[in-house]
Amino acid sequence: AQKITQTQPGMFVQEKEAVTLDCTYDTSDQSYGLFWYKQPSSGEMIFLIYQGSYDEQNATEGRYSLNFQKARKSANLVISASQLGDSAMYFCAMRGPYSSASKIIFGSGTRLSIRP
Amino acid sequence: SQTIHQWPATLVQPVGSPLSLECTVEGTSNPNLYWYRQAAGRGLQLLFYSVGIGQISSEVPQNLSASRPQDRQFILSSKKLLLSDSGFYLCAWSGGRRTEAFFGQGTRLTVV
Repeated sequence: AQKITQTQPGMFVQEKEAVTLDCTYDTSDQSYGLFWYKQPSSGEMIFLIYQGSYDEQNATEGRYSLNFQKARKSANLVISASQLGDSAMYFCAMRGPYSSASKIIFGSGTRLSIRP
Repeated sequence: SQTIHQWPATLVQPVGSPLSLECTVEGTSNPNLYWYRQAAGRGLQLLFYSVGIGQISSEVPQNLSASRPQDRQFILSSKKLLLSDSGFYLCAWSGGRRTEAFFGQGTRLTVV
């Protein structure tokens, strides 16, 4: 069975500092995808970044990068130069092989608070 | 471009009343569709997902059911709501050339 674990319920970071949000996963699939989403207080789910299990390089999207360590089954999100607008809930998610029967599961989330 | 519509945005229902939440997707065909529930300050729990019309997979046995009467329509229902059904319900779709899921704006359900 697939499982996503986020062990940091909450984090406080000073503005302009970098922050790493932890995510570990468990799956028996050889092919899978990993995602990070941001959820501000409005409740909307904003897709941030995607990493495929066969991607050799870590994914990057602007200030977001995904530190993918396949052997350790971890997919940590790194936010560089944090901003006040980064304060939100962050969720790690995983899907199985990209097939018609693939579901997407989420971790419990990390609440990130940026201090001015 | 693809869009997803979910309504209503908020809903207050008495215990024992029925529920029907609707989600529709535009601009794509044969999407995977998902219903999630989020308790306050918690993660997203996958309730149902569907890979095609009439094909529903249930992840958690509960007081809810889902149906997919049309390719881009996904409905979450209950015959009799419980207090524990309160939460934030999110519909999502995935498919086509993109791998991630795209979410609706959510429905905040309060059962009183």
